[in-house]
Amino acid sequence: DGGITQSPKYLFRKEGQNVTLSCEQNLNHDAMYWYRQDPGQGLRLIYYSQIVNDFQKGDIAEGYSVSREKKESFPLTVTSAQKNPTAFYLCASSIASGGRADTQYFGPGTRLTVL
Amino acid sequence: GESVGLHLPTLSVQEGDNSIINCAYSNSASDYFIWYKQESGKGPQFIIDIRSNMDKRQGQRVTVLLNKTVKHLSLQIAATQPGDSAVYFCAEPPLGGYNKLIFGAGTRLAVHP
Repeated sequence: DGGITQSPKYLFRKEGQNVTLSCEQNLNHDAMYWYRQDPGQGLRLIYYSQIVNDFQKGDIAEGYSVSREKKESFPLTVTSAQKNPTAFYLCASSIASGGRADTQYFGPGTRLTVL
Repeated sequence: GESVGLHLPTLSVQEGDNSIINCAYSNSASDYFIWYKQESGKGPQFIIDIRSNMDKRQGQRVTVLLNKTVKHLSLQIAATQPGDSAVYFCAEPPLGGYNKLIFGAGTRLAVHP
């Protein structure tokens, strides 16, 4: 089955710890994205990557870091510098057809809770 | 389940009725719009999309209408079912933001038997 997987589904972290959220896709998509979702708000873009070994900051990148060493994988690290990390994190991917906006397909999400 | 959108506008409908969910967009140059459905605790699911060269597009039980004059988008769901209960988001590319999307805050659809 083709799709996007995120792990773990639930993650608990102590204050001051870094934690890495996994995102894998087998759709052969070039572009991948990370969003944060809080109650009462829409999705906010953290980082995105249009091609391997390249990524750009989104609207709320502070306190987060990413890597894109493989086309299939786009892990997100939530660092201790992120002041309010408790949220629902969503990974997405799209074909990225040379400048046009494309449909993004989402994973099931990871709920991060800071204790 | 997860609490997504505690303070979202809510549309309540009876099972079997038609639902209309509205979205106002800001970028008059946007050429692509998408509707997503998000059930509690899950990732958003693609429903239907429309390019700006169209006014209407139909899918299975869903229709999207685009009014470029007033920058308004609507999603119509025919014969609404309990399984349609979810938060619905519209999305558009930002100005100059290729391969990116801006998501609206969402509307909660509550279907009552």
